Parts: sequence; structure tokens; C-alpha cells
Amino acid sequence: AQKITQTQPGMFVQEKEAVTLDCTYDTSDPSYGLFWYKQPSSGEMIFLIYQGSYDQQNATEGRYSLNFQKARKSANLVISASQLGDSAMYFCAMREGSSSGSARQLTFGSGTQLTVLP
Amino acid sequence: DSGVTQTPKHLITATGQRVTLRCSPRSGDLSVYWYQQSLDQGLQFLIQYYNGEERAKGNILERFSAQQFPDLHSELNLSSLELGDSALYFCASSVDYRSYEQYFGPGTRLTVT
Repeated sequence: AQKITQTQPGMFVQEKEAVTLDCTYDTSDPSYGLFWYKQPSSGEMIFLIYQGSYDQQNATEGRYSLNFQKARKSANLVISASQLGDSAMYFCAMREGSSSGSARQLTFGSGTQLTVLP
Repeated sequence: DSGVTQTPKHLITATGQRVTLRCSPRSGDLSVYWYQQSLDQGLQFLIQYYNGEERAKGNILERFSAQQFPDLHSELNLSSLELGDSALYFCASSVDYRSYEQYFGPGTRLTVT
């Protein structure tokens, strides 16, 4: 079963508008972390934002915010005031790890290609 | 710049060959992860090292191996290369194996012809 699901292969947004990229996850581990990464066409993976499963408030980093709905197992990324430079592939990822012996690797979704239109 | 370095940036080689990808983690980071990004498989975890010891294995083929040296740099060895091994290989590092934050290097793009 897919642990991270990103249902939007591609999204378009007008410059200066806000956009929401969807991410749902599946885990039975009570302790986990959710991440969003940006991958521009140059290929590097850029960390954007992190949300812990026990965090009471939604994470925010500048123009990025994470809409964390634990009961729905969703962790949507909201980008406000889109800029042309936001055009990239965006990946949602999860790390499980309440057990000290468990691996701490990231499991990634399939990504959403965001295009910002001028 | 994440502080994680990977060399080489690009690598083109033939089927059946062997290559070594190198990663230097951020200063102070003890844990190194290797990921493979291919068109058909997406981003997949391969293997993790912590302070020189293998910590976790993911979908890593038997033809692939890795190690982490005393100076904490890591190498990923890919042998008997096949066309399907063409991918972007990322190294990431974190402070320790418990740390949630992982910082990715720029990747090595491997093309097998």
C-alpha cells in the first residue's frame, strides 16, 4: 500500500496567487514526521517545511505553510503569493520512527509538478 | 547550499561496468542516506549508515553496495550496471539516526548506455 499519496501530477497557478498541493499519508506509527521538498529542473532537493506528528500547530516557513489534518492523514502544502521561481516538482515525504530500532529513511510520494504562470 | 557534497555530478558509463559515487555529509552529521530517483520507480531509499555502521537497508540491489568511512564520507558502489540503473542518486545527511531533518546533496546523474 502507498504510504504517501500525491494525487495531482501537475498543477498550474497564476503568479501572486496561492496554491495548495495535496498529500495524504498512511502509517500506524504514532510518531512520524512529514516533509515537503522542492526539486527544480536543475535536480537538487530543497527542504521546505517539516511537521511532526505531535506538533499542535501547523508548520509555517515564510510563504510555505503545511495544513496538517491528523485525523484525515493529510499534510497539504500551501504556497502563498506564488512566484515564477516556484515552478518545480514538489515531493511530500514521511519518516516514521517511534521505535529506536526502526529505520529513519524518508518515504516519498510521486510528486506534483507545479507551473506558475505569468 | 545544503552543505552535502556529491561527486561526480554526472557519470556516463556502459552496461556491465562498475562505478563509485561519493558523498561528504554536512559537517557534524553522522548519518548518511542514499536514495535513487528514476523515472519508473520515483524516489527510493537505498541504504543508511550511521557513524560507519550500516543502519538500515531499503530497495538496494545486491549489485549495489555502500560504506561509510572513518571521516564519515560515504561511497555507493554500483556494479554490473544495467540500462535500468540510469537514475539520479542522492545522498542525504542528518545529525544522527534519530534526527528528522535530512539535507540532500545535489545528486549524481548516472547514465548507463
